[in-house]
Amino acid sequence: NAGVTQTPKFQVLKTGQSMTLQCAQDMNHEYMSWYRQDPGMGLRLIHYSVGAGITDQGEVPNGYNVSRSTTEDFPLRLLSAAPSQTSVYFCASSHGGGSGGSGANVLTFGAGSRLTVL
Amino acid sequence: AQSVTQPDIHITVSEGASLELRCNYSYGATPYLFWYVQSPGQGLQLLLKYFSGDTLVQGIKGFEAEFKRSQSSFNLRKPSVHWSDAAEYFCAVGARGYQKVTFGTGTKLQVIP
Repeated sequence: NAGVTQTPKFQVLKTGQSMTLQCAQDMNHEYMSWYRQDPGMGLRLIHYSVGAGITDQGEVPNGYNVSRSTTEDFPLRLLSAAPSQTSVYFCASSHGGGSGGSGANVLTFGAGSRLTVL
Repeated sequence: AQSVTQPDIHITVSEGASLELRCNYSYGATPYLFWYVQSPGQGLQLLLKYFSGDTLVQGIKGFEAEFKRSQSSFNLRKPSVHWSDAAEYFCAVGARGYQKVTFGTGTKLQVIP
């Protein structure tokens, strides 16, 4: 059981380049999300999805796109990278838990992807 | 909108001493509350959670937290800290039927011999 897998672990981009951070989970979780972590700012939600075909914006969505074509995968796209997007990115997933079950909102995190934009 | 405040950016304790990390939340209804731990270079791991019921919850690694509705707090405690507890700790808030989880800015714990 791999949990949440993120690739790549490290990436260096030049300003204006595009790239996709991959995220896959094998736990059949309905909910998936992307956070960025910056020193002193904790984790901030970028985009999230409550199921295949459904995505929504979090706190800091500008400059990022997502799609959810399958339950397992939730890629994060940077269309034109900027130095302000230098960060560590975490993908996380959980069960939907709309009825308040014990797994609701309990996030399983990937190991993170460290992105540097020059 | 939900929010979390962790007032202590950095805390240093001696090994064997007790620990309390503070967390205050803002949410209109009954919150789901969490504490996560992040070791250097790692992802986040769930320490404990509060959904309802007993306001004192036990977690892994000997940690516990107490939900105090009147103070909008969910402080994390451990009676005796070990050197391996050095890490960054994040408090988070969510809500029933609403999947977004909001994190605090974290408290970095240093343990000295």
